Amino acid sequence: DAEITQSPRHKITETGRQVTLACHQTWNHNNMFWYRQDLGHGLRLIHYSYGVQDTNKGEVSDGYSVSRSNTEDLPLTLESAASSQTSVYFCASSEASGLRETQYFGPGTRLLVL
Amino acid sequence: AQKITQTQPGMFVQEKEAVTLDCTYDTSDPSYGLFWYKQPSSGEMIFLIYQGSYDQQNATEGRYSLNFQKARKSANLVISASQLGDSAMYFCAMRATGNQFYFGTGTSLTVIP
Repeated sequence: DAEITQSPRHKITETGRQVTLACHQTWNHNNMFWYRQDLGHGLRLIHYSYGVQDTNKGEVSDGYSVSRSNTEDLPLTLESAASSQTSVYFCASSEASGLRETQYFGPGTRLLVL
Repeated sequence: AQKITQTQPGMFVQEKEAVTLDCTYDTSDPSYGLFWYKQPSSGEMIFLIYQGSYDQQNATEGRYSLNFQKARKSANLVISASQLGDSAMYFCAMRATGNQFYFGTGTSLTVIP
């Protein structure tokens, strides 16, 4: 069965360190997204990609970067982790065409920045 | 600008009763899709129901139905015959042109035995 996976599921890091969160999907979707979820804010879009070599900034992109070298993967990098980036991170993917197409979410990564 | 508003941070419902979770949206796009997701305490996001802006009938999926009022820009989720397993966070989302999804801040539903 097709799926979307994230790793690690839990991560503790220190302020200033570079951190990369992995996202891998086997749906063969062109669209991939990264969100962060914080209490009272719902899901906020960090970065998204509509295909290989395409990346775009979302609502809260400062301090984050992504790269898309293949269809399956969209790693999220925190260049220099800050305590404000402690959050739960969700990766999602969707079909490119059709408003009806839902997003499929990964299980999430809980990140704690000390 | 696209925006989703969920004004109910928390809701309680008696088991076996129906409950309505509110969602209003703002978009200037003529075509858009509206989605509801459930997030149980385990954390995963589960797709529940979809409503298209041009759909003539309100969407239904089992015990879930969507009360879509286009003129009022509202897309409320109705859960009938609530079960204890319905206790979760519920998110309303919109997909408009551009392939992005816009999420509300969520409503926490607690089902009381």
